[in-house]
Amino acid sequence: QVQLVQSGAEVKKPGASVKVSCKASGYTFTAYYMHWVRQAPGQGLEWMGWINPNSGGTNYAQRFQGRVTMTRDRSITTAHMELSRLRSDDTAVYYCARGWEYASSSCVSWGQGTLVTVSS
Amino acid sequence: EIVMTQSPATLSVSPGERATLSCRASQSVSSNLAWYQQKPGQAPRLLIYGASTRATDIPARFSGSGSGTEFTLSISSLQSEDFAVYYCQQYNNWPPYTFGQGTKLEIK
Repeated sequence: QVQLVQSGAEVKKPGASVKVSCKASGYTFTAYYMHWVRQAPGQGLEWMGWINPNSGGTNYAQRFQGRVTMTRDRSITTAHMELSRLRSDDTAVYYCARGWEYASSSCVSWGQGTLVTVSS
Repeated sequence: EIVMTQSPATLSVSPGERATLSCRASQSVSSNLAWYQQKPGQAPRLLIYGASTRATDIPARFSGSGSGTEFTLSISSLQSEDFAVYYCQQYNNWPPYTFGQGTKLEIK
């Protein structure tokens, strides 16, 4: 079965960077887009971007352009999301979510989430 | 950016009754719309994609309808495990893929 296992919670200071990992198993990693979605405490869902694990191509929401980098390591079927220049309002649970074989798709399977806390 | 608006913000329904949740897009998204369920402390779960297709293992009491700008998620005969927050998401015009603000379905 499809499993997405994310790295553990992080506490960062403002201005620092954080890198969240998402280990995929149970399917062909390179065949499906991987999305990243975040959720601030008590708030709704916000899409950050996707990566095509096959080509490495990415597409980011404009509001994160210049601060977010999504990468993948095909050898260990893991996707990464790095967010830089952290601010207090970046405190959120970050999810990876597998899409379909094409970009215009929903998020089919989700990781368990990684809490990132930004605090001085 | 397409804005997704869900209504109502909170819906109170008794177990066994039917719930109807709405989602409106600021411009047409064709049928490229999904619905998710999220329970406290859990990741979202895909319920419906393509506006009306149930995802794998989703019970038949969940149904989606609509196209263009108006969409509905219906849950017939509510079970205790159905009380949660529901989000719609469009994936027609991106970036960004946008979510509605959510509807909290609570027990009446």
